[in-house]
Amino acid sequence: TQLLEQSPQFLSIQEGENLTVYCNSSSVFSSLQWYRQEPGEGPVLLVTVVTGGEVKKLKRLTFQFGDARKDSSLHITAAQPGDTGLYLCAGGTSGTYKYIFGTGTRLKVLA
Amino acid sequence: KAGVTQTPRYLIKTRGQQVTLSCSPISGHRSVSWYQQTPGQGLQFLFEYFSETQRNKGNFPGRFSGRQFSNSRSEMNVSTLELGDSALYLCASSLDRGQLYGYTFGSGTRLTVV
Repeated sequence: TQLLEQSPQFLSIQEGENLTVYCNSSSVFSSLQWYRQEPGEGPVLLVTVVTGGEVKKLKRLTFQFGDARKDSSLHITAAQPGDTGLYLCAGGTSGTYKYIFGTGTRLKVLA
Repeated sequence: KAGVTQTPRYLIKTRGQQVTLSCSPISGHRSVSWYQQTPGQGLQFLFEYFSETQRNKGNFPGRFSGRQFSNSRSEMNVSTLELGDSALYLCASSLDRGQLYGYTFGSGTRLTVV
């Protein structure tokens, strides 16, 4: 069974601090996505990473796909209160239609 | 272009009743997936439809069912509601291989069973 474990589960930091969220699995994924979800809303797709070792930047957010395509990380520089939300990684494998969501990291950035 | 639209946004039902939720995907998207989200279990996959055919199904009891129409709109039905069915139900759409490129989600339907 494919599983995606995220750490930490909860994170509360001050505005301006940096943070990293991890998404780990023992399975290989063809691609991984990161989403952010705000209370009462659906997840919003932030990025897709496909190639092992790939790094993508989205303003203050940096996403990395592990070399073996089993893990990923999300790094936020100088966090802002607007970054508050539930961060979810998710992955799929070509050849199947299965799509797995991670356990989630709830981030709160205090002003 | 319009996003994924789910109706209704909020619903309160009594144990034992049945409920139907609706999802209109982004125009041109042929894949529609449904998820149940609860604080304890996170996002749990229910099923995926593509061109009116169910091509993937999660581990939910037969009380949960769905269908997709020729215009790609989808409905999910839950019969004999239980208290544990209270959750945010999310619909997501993609062109086809959403599991490789990601999905666009609706805002969800918050179902409360009393």
